Amino acid sequence: NAGVTQTPKFQVLKTGQSMTLQCAQDMNHNSMYWYRQDPGMGLRLIYYSASEGTTDKGEVPNGYNVSRLNKREFSLRLESAAPSQTSVYFCASSELMWGTGANVLTFGAGSRLTVL
Amino acid sequence: KNEVEQSPQNLTAQEGEFITINCSYSVGISALHWLQQHPGGGIVSLFMLSSGKKKHGRLIATINIQEKHSSLHITASHPRDSAVYICAVLETSGSRLTFGEGTQLTVNP
Repeated sequence: NAGVTQTPKFQVLKTGQSMTLQCAQDMNHNSMYWYRQDPGMGLRLIYYSASEGTTDKGEVPNGYNVSRLNKREFSLRLESAAPSQTSVYFCASSELMWGTGANVLTFGAGSRLTVL
Repeated sequence: KNEVEQSPQNLTAQEGEFITINCSYSVGISALHWLQQHPGGGIVSLFMLSSGKKKHGRLIATINIQEKHSSLHITASHPRDSAVYICAVLETSGSRLTFGEGTQLTVNP
């Protein structure tokens, strides 16, 4: 099925552990994003990638790194997890459709991360 | 100040009521999305707007580019419309996508 696939869906870490959230899309979109969603805070942009080979910081990049491995994949790494990084993480991809002017935006199902 | 502001933050309605959720933004945009998120669920794009108005079933979305304002209307609201509605803007400066904090809508039977 076409769309955005995130793994894992759930993860529990201890403080100081590292992990990588994986995201892949099969819609040939150029832009990909990582967000975190916390109660009462809405979605906050961590990092984004406008195209393969480029990445940019969002609102809350501290404590995270990203890799745009190729056009399909955009991973988010926590090098030393902290309890403040307990959140639900969403990956998204988008593409501006030239000709129609439509911007297609698709989200992954989310990854729930708990840091103890 | 948030670049994208939504109002109201919370909205409770009776089934059948007409509902309006507003979104104001302060940056130049190339597109605006209205998104829906059900409790514990994923996020779905309802509309993408770059100008004018769009309608899908009981949902209507409008945008005024000059005033930097968009509205999402739900006609004849139903309990299954209960969800968080989120406004997101794609900035013209690049591919950055910024979100409002969302509006929690509860429709009571």
